[in-house]
Amino acid sequence: DIVMTQSPATLSVSPGERVSLSCRASQGVSRNLAWYQQKPGQAPRLLIDGASTRATGVPGRFSGSGSGTDFTLTISSLQSEDFAVYFCQHYNNWPWTFGPGTKVEIK
Amino acid sequence: QVQLQESGPGLVKPSQTLSLTCPVSGSFINSHNYYWSWVRQPPGKGLEWIGYISNSGTTHYNPSLVSRALISADTSKNHLSLKLSAVTAADTAVYYCAGGSCADGLCQAFGYWGQGTLVTVS
Repeated sequence: DIVMTQSPATLSVSPGERVSLSCRASQGVSRNLAWYQQKPGQAPRLLIDGASTRATGVPGRFSGSGSGTDFTLTISSLQSEDFAVYFCQHYNNWPWTFGPGTKVEIK
Repeated sequence: QVQLQESGPGLVKPSQTLSLTCPVSGSFINSHNYYWSWVRQPPGKGLEWIGYISNSGTTHYNPSLVSRALISADTSKNHLSLKLSAVTAADTAVYYCAGGSCADGLCQAFGYWGQGTLVTVS
């Protein structure tokens, strides 16, 4: 199984800051990598698909990059509504797996 | 717009079978434009993929759950089902049904999620 790791586990930031979250796969997953945002009590929301394609309705401040084993989600200027947990997930082969998540909290 | 809504008992006894359904609205469940999955999340923890079912009924499962999980699609009711047998306290989680769209043979990640339903094993 492909193991997904994310770093850091928690990130304390101030509104307006630029944030970069890392996701690493134990084996190459090409660009079959998604990012999700989850707020307390809510279902995850798809942000990025195919490593870099924003899902419908996702603000332009969210961007994804990477391929193979190393991926990054960047939020160019953090807004108050962006404080949440972010998960990556590969869908390159079976079984699909999620990373453990990065919590972005208010500094 | 595709909408999903999980339903089922919120409390299951150890060793019994957890059964959930997820009616799909906005699309036929066997549409070639979509695939479906179940994902769970223990309280305070991360997401775990349970399994997948294609529009043609092909299934794939998490190896850690393959001996206990069964995902099916009922086209007459247009709903998904999950059965998880021999549950223990470790199966306590919020269970989500999720789906993704496909076009020209390429499928997106989980663009559609239900609100989730908490199942407690006790």
